[in-house]
Amino acid sequence: DVKVTQSSRYLVKRTGEKVFLECVQDMDHENMFWYRQDPGLGLRLIYFSYDVKMKEKGDIPEGYSVSREKKERFSLILESASTNQTSMYLCASSHTSGGAKNIQYFGAGTRLSVL
Amino acid sequence: AQSVTQLDSQVPVFEEAPVELRCNYSSSVSVYLFWYVQYPNQGLQLLLKYLSGSTLVKGINGFEAEFNKSQTSFHLRKPSVHISDTAEYFCAVSVRSEKLVFGKGTKLTVNP
Repeated sequence: DVKVTQSSRYLVKRTGEKVFLECVQDMDHENMFWYRQDPGLGLRLIYFSYDVKMKEKGDIPEGYSVSREKKERFSLILESASTNQTSMYLCASSHTSGGAKNIQYFGAGTRLSVL
Repeated sequence: AQSVTQLDSQVPVFEEAPVELRCNYSSSVSVYLFWYVQYPNQGLQLLLKYLSGSTLVKGINGFEAEFNKSQTSFHLRKPSVHISDTAEYFCAVSVRSEKLVFGKGTKLTVNP
């Protein structure tokens, strides 16, 4: 069965802390994504990675960075957390072959609160 | 650039009633269309997709959607809903890349 695992369901951090959100997929997918989900705004793409060590900015990359050292793992980093980064973060993955036709598979999400 | 508009942010219905969740997209080229569902406290899962061929697409849990190119719509329907269909539904479009553009979501609440 397809699986995308996000390491934490809930996180509470303080303003200014460095925060790591981890995502692991077991489907040998080339593409991995980080989204932010806020009420009334839907899902917005933060970063996208199409290969190990490769990354591309999404629609809202400011205040975030990513790391992909291994194919199965994609990390989202908040260098200095701020209260406006309180949100639900969703990780997804997909194959490259088939391109735009590909289904994305999602993790259960990490709800981050920055106090 | 592509965009997706989900016309209703909330849709309340009674159990066993039919439901239609509306989605319109804008794109100057051919698109691929998806509906995803998010149950409370879970991630998104695929309900159905339109890639090509028949404009009527059937998905899981009795849902179906119709692609209408002239109206640039991809509305989701179910003839009889259950309490367990209460969830948030997202319409999404992709064009030339693996990236999806999502609508803002429609919260479906099924009341007894």
